[in-house]
Amino acid sequence: DAGITQSPRHKVTETGTPVTLRCHQTENHRYMYWYRQDPGHGLRLIHYSYGVKDTDKGEVSDGYSVSRSKTEDFLLTLESATSSQTSVYFCAISVEETSGTYNEQFFGPGTRLTVL
Amino acid sequence: TQLLEQSPQFLSIQEGENLTVYCNSSSVFSSLQWYRQEPGEGPVLLVTVVTGGEVKKLKRLTFQFGDARKDSSLHITAAQPGDTGLYLCAGAGSLSDDKIIFGKGTRLHILP
Repeated sequence: DAGITQSPRHKVTETGTPVTLRCHQTENHRYMYWYRQDPGHGLRLIHYSYGVKDTDKGEVSDGYSVSRSKTEDFLLTLESATSSQTSVYFCAISVEETSGTYNEQFFGPGTRLTVL
Repeated sequence: TQLLEQSPQFLSIQEGENLTVYCNSSSVFSSLQWYRQEPGEGPVLLVTVVTGGEVKKLKRLTFQFGDARKDSSLHITAAQPGDTGLYLCAGAGSLSDDKIIFGKGTRLHILP
């Protein structure tokens, strides 16, 4: 258990509203990731972080921003939610101490977001 | 752009049968991982393979990395209903990569 929690676990919102999802880890791992999972598309990387205030874009970053002001928290923000952002969002960490350079990832339980 | 293609996309078989799922790419990967995901949960890492030709076993599951490190397979012997789930492969392009890419998954259903 890598001590990853996500909040909220479920959210329904309306188009045009801002939404922030939180990922929290308890073990001070450097790398954190946000993915979205959609039928037919698998897991796609939105943004990731390699340290406090250090973030980079993934393959589907448009419409999303992230922030990491503390090692333990990685926030994903949808500035103005759209129906195409309805998805299941997963946070993950990479445990460098056990994975070396293999980037093995450990996932949180997910957040199911519905944008009406 | 590196891609990982998984096949089949769906597989439904009877308990006790054997099966193999595949993860293929035209690109070389420095390592390849297999995850299993159950409904309502996040993916869970099963194994990482890093050497061309490497074979790893996890109880009834056998994982193989292709000699050229472009493909991998997962073989399940005597499948059980508890093996039901979504199986995902993921790869890192190089040792310096900060991220990995995922295949779209194989959804496996074992009928009792």
